[in-house]
Amino acid sequence: QKEVEQDPGPLSVPEGAIVSLNCTYSNSAFQYFMWYRQYSRKGPELLMYTYSSGNKEDGRFTAQVDKSSKYISLFIRDSQPSDSATYLCAMISNQGAGSYQLTFGKGTKLSVIP
Amino acid sequence: NAGVTQTPKFRILKIGQSMTLQCTQDMNHNYMYWYRQDPGMGLKLIYYSVGAGITDKGEVPNGYNVSRSTTEDFPLRLELAAPSQTSVYFCASSYGATDTQYFGPGTRLTVL
Repeated sequence: QKEVEQDPGPLSVPEGAIVSLNCTYSNSAFQYFMWYRQYSRKGPELLMYTYSSGNKEDGRFTAQVDKSSKYISLFIRDSQPSDSATYLCAMISNQGAGSYQLTFGKGTKLSVIP
Repeated sequence: NAGVTQTPKFRILKIGQSMTLQCTQDMNHNYMYWYRQDPGMGLKLIYYSVGAGITDKGEVPNGYNVSRSTTEDFPLRLELAAPSQTSVYFCASSYGATDTQYFGPGTRLTVL
């Protein structure tokens, strides 16, 4: 079992839909959870960052973390064509002795159709 | 404030050739990273650095070398290029180990 599992999609939704993107993980040492957005032929950029179980909201985006189920989600409300991108989940684990490791999911490609 | 810059944007190499991918950041970040991204495979860490003069291997270091002589620059060297090194390469930087990583625009490398 890979450390971080993410459905690669592709996912296609109509404009205005609610989008749910998900990742599961197996390593209990993951402490910090992120979602990056990557537009075509660009570098990833941070969208959401959280380190505790529960929900974090930023505009139309909500990040949800459930550490007991080892499951994180990103919800996009009122999706727009400009949200069309690949969304990568990422998690940081404490390796001990001040060392941390960032692990990315494979990414989910989202298309929002006008 | 340019953030993280990478050169070149594109490059085609022949098998066995060598090249250096350049990366510069102007945010005074301590940490710098090199990733490769293959289609459908996510980002794989090649090398990282926690400060000038200190580098360490990531998940896929074979065939690559790095150096970090200044805080700003973190070049990635490919020796004896192979078709398996065809990929998109991203440089990133962060202030601390658990802080946000800021990515450059990437270098698309093809080895024929």
